[in-house]
Amino acid sequence: TQLLEQSPQFLSIQEGENLTVYCNSSSVFSSLQWYRQEPGEGPVLLVTVVTGGEVKKLKRLTFQFGDARKDSSLHITAAQPGDTGLYLCAGALASGSRLTFGEGTQLTVNP
Amino acid sequence: KAGVTQTPRYLIKTRGQQVTLSCSPISGHRSVSWYQQTPGQGLQFLFEYFSETQRNKGNFPGRFSGRQFSNSRSEMNVSTLELGDSALYLCASSLADGTSGQYFGPGTRLTVT
Repeated sequence: TQLLEQSPQFLSIQEGENLTVYCNSSSVFSSLQWYRQEPGEGPVLLVTVVTGGEVKKLKRLTFQFGDARKDSSLHITAAQPGDTGLYLCAGALASGSRLTFGEGTQLTVNP
Repeated sequence: KAGVTQTPRYLIKTRGQQVTLSCSPISGHRSVSWYQQTPGQGLQFLFEYFSETQRNKGNFPGRFSGRQFSNSRSEMNVSTLELGDSALYLCASSLADGTSGQYFGPGTRLTVT
């Protein structure tokens, strides 16, 4: 059983559409991170959220940490082909503990 | 600042051999973590080193080992390679622990034949 469940696993949309990716768990996390990975490269850190209810924006990307710190979402507005990639969420149960990654959401944005 | 570097980028080995992968973290980062990434299992945590000590360990067999040097550079070793060890091995560094974000290298693509 995955500690962090991501949905959907695959998402194929047209340029200009909006989308939301979810990351859920039954565990409480001290922090949660989102990464984006392109083929043949390592994941790149997008954001870290640490406070329940926290919302962070990065251009067209909006990240939210659930009030109970068990879930998170990533919303992309007006998706572009350059947003194509594997989006990963990762959580830490406590400070100093290892990160656990979700299985990822493979996003394809078609021109 | 230079990013995390990993060498080699690609490696082909045969079953039964052993392999050593190297990782140089971002300057000033003392924590180095290793992950195995495969299409079926996703990113699986191998181990984390901090100040030359293994601080966390994942659920991998003893054939997988690592170490960290005084300059924070790290190596991981896999002995008696199996076909199932074919994967992308990623190294990530962070300042103290990974909970505020990790910075990944490009990975080493290991193929076992």
